[in-house]
Amino acid sequence: EVQLLESGGGLVQPGGSLRLSCAASGFTFSSYAMSWVRQAPGKGLEWVSSLSGTADTTYYADSVKGRFTISRDNSKNTLYLQMSPLRVEDTAVYYCTKDRGGVSEKWGQGTLVTVSS
Amino acid sequence: SYVLTQPPSVSVAPGKTAIITCGGDNIGNQAVHWYQQKPGQAPIVVIDYDKDRPSGIPERFSGSNSGNTATLSISRVEAGDEADYYCQVWDTTSDRGVFGGGTKLTVL
Repeated sequence: EVQLLESGGGLVQPGGSLRLSCAASGFTFSSYAMSWVRQAPGKGLEWVSSLSGTADTTYYADSVKGRFTISRDNSKNTLYLQMSPLRVEDTAVYYCTKDRGGVSEKWGQGTLVTVSS
Repeated sequence: SYVLTQPPSVSVAPGKTAIITCGGDNIGNQAVHWYQQKPGQAPIVVIDYDKDRPSGIPERFSGSNSGNTATLSISRVEAGDEADYYCQVWDTTSDRGVFGGGTKLTVL
């Protein structure tokens, strides 16, 4: 069974940093692209970033480009999202997704990031 | 940037058919995916690649895509179908993921 478990969320001040992690199991992690998708409180889904299985190709939303870095450790079956500097508008639940040809076919339960002073 | 437009809300009586649209420029040339999200839960895929149902999704869910509009149809609607529904594409022009704004389906 595919499982995606996000961690690393929390409360951080504007300008601060956080690193999110997503521990994957139940599939051959290195064979799949992975993504982060976020959802601000009471709002819709927003694609954030994607990374190929071999980690040689990255994609970012304009709203986070230059501030967020997506990466993966295939030896640990873990996806990361380094976020800095954070803004109030980055407040959201961040979901990790397992991708297949452009569709986020499996989602984790999400981790909440709150950016506030 | 590519924009997907969904109606904010759709209401339907139980047993009837709900139709949720997703508009985009020449969206018929893109692969469209549909997600269902119930309160407090993560989204799940209900339709991928315009019309394919993942394992475990009832046959009541179907999709189509042509021209400037993709459509998610839910026949014989049940109370348990009440949720937010999102369309999504991978825009190959910009290499960005794009979600529609979401449609709240209310079962009357």
